[in-house]
Amino acid sequence: GAGVSQSPSNKVTEKGKDVELRCDPISGHTALYWYRQSLGQGLEFLIYFQGNSAPDKSGLPSDRFSAERTGGSVSTLTIQRTQQEDSAVYLCASSLGPAGGPYEQYFGPGTRLTVT
Amino acid sequence: AQKVTQAQTEISVVEKEDVTLDCVYETRDTTYYLFWYKQPPSGELVFLIRRNSFDEQNEISGRYSWNFQKSTSSFNFTITASQVVDSAVYFCALSGTNFGNEKLTFGTGTRLTIIP
Repeated sequence: GAGVSQSPSNKVTEKGKDVELRCDPISGHTALYWYRQSLGQGLEFLIYFQGNSAPDKSGLPSDRFSAERTGGSVSTLTIQRTQQEDSAVYLCASSLGPAGGPYEQYFGPGTRLTVT
Repeated sequence: AQKVTQAQTEISVVEKEDVTLDCVYETRDTTYYLFWYKQPPSGELVFLIRRNSFDEQNEISGRYSWNFQKSTSSFNFTITASQVVDSAVYFCALSGTNFGNEKLTFGTGTRLTIIP
């Protein structure tokens, strides 16, 4: 079946602009996660959605970052007023859950964000 | 707080040699899950294994095996008869089981290079 998809695959933006990154999870997966991967910080958790529960936003690095998940499926990560330190690969993952979990997370190919 | 340590930053072995990747974790949870992921040069994280903290049995899957030792908080990964296709960055990760704690905490990864 189809895996997790993300768009765009690459995004170059100027400092100060806003960007939106999209994630389509695996059908039937109720849990959705955003992480980012950068050379200096490794793999960092950003935000987690589980069903209709309020999201766990504890990993968002600043209030310039926000995310939403519509209809329990597609998610959009928004970064406002981008800074150069936001340059990273943004990864989305989804999993079954929560009963019996946590389950393995399946990752998308990522969006490489470059802020110039 | 949860922490995962992968002390080996880079390992190189000649093809057909066995290699063990170390993973040590810290958590205050009594129930938790451990994972290994592979990130090949293509960049996409690939799930390898999920292990419940209550299950200390070692697991073997083909050329891969995992040794979970709760007494030393370690979850090591061994590749037997390594192949060039095993070249990748390998990440160990830890997750709790309560909402808000189900995010993955990753180690910094071990870059494995198999020399033909």
